[in-house]
Amino acid sequence: DQQVKQNSPSLSVQEGRISILNCDYTNSMFDYFLWYKKYPAEGPTFLISISSIKDKNEDGRFTVFLNKSAKHLSLHIVPSQPGDSAVYFCAASVMNRDDKIIFGKGTRLHILP
Amino acid sequence: KAGVTQTPRYLIKTRGQQVTLSCSPISGHRSVSWYQQTPGQGLQFLFEYFSETQRNKGNFPGRFSGRQFSNSRSEMNVSTLELGDSALYLCASSSKLDRGRRETQYFGPGTRLLVL
Repeated sequence: DQQVKQNSPSLSVQEGRISILNCDYTNSMFDYFLWYKKYPAEGPTFLISISSIKDKNEDGRFTVFLNKSAKHLSLHIVPSQPGDSAVYFCAASVMNRDDKIIFGKGTRLHILP
Repeated sequence: KAGVTQTPRYLIKTRGQQVTLSCSPISGHRSVSWYQQTPGQGLQFLFEYFSETQRNKGNFPGRFSGRQFSNSRSEMNVSTLELGDSALYLCASSSKLDRGRRETQYFGPGTRLLVL
């Protein structure tokens, strides 16, 4: 059973526009969420996180929104740049429990020139 | 500060063989986690080690095992390899000391294992 779902395997966005990557989760106990970015032949790198006590966290061009009632989070990249082309993984965990980080299957983002 | 290193980077084995993968965490990091990445399943958690003890385990068969040494370096072993074990195996380290504390995980480049 996939507890963290990224339903779009791929997404293409024009350079300069907004990229929106979506993630849904099923476990209401999750209270910490992360986004990782992965280039080919490299390990994932941490991008941004959000605690369940917040509904928005911003870091430069990256903003993560959390809607707890819908069990949904999204990552917004504005403006999108060519270097943003990568696979993005959404992940979630439960604090003070087993702390396992559960990852989604990833969304491949293509930034078009 | 050097990043997480994994050896070897690429490996080809045949069914039934066993394999050992190695991970050296960032200096000072005591928590090491292992993940399997496949195209169909994304990143799946294998196990986490902290101070030479396995602290967490994912839903993988007993053929997958690991250990951590006193210098925090970790090894992962897969016995009786199956075709489905072909994947990218990623190791991540963090400075996390206690459960519930949020410390960023830093990933290595991975070991790509191909089982023929």
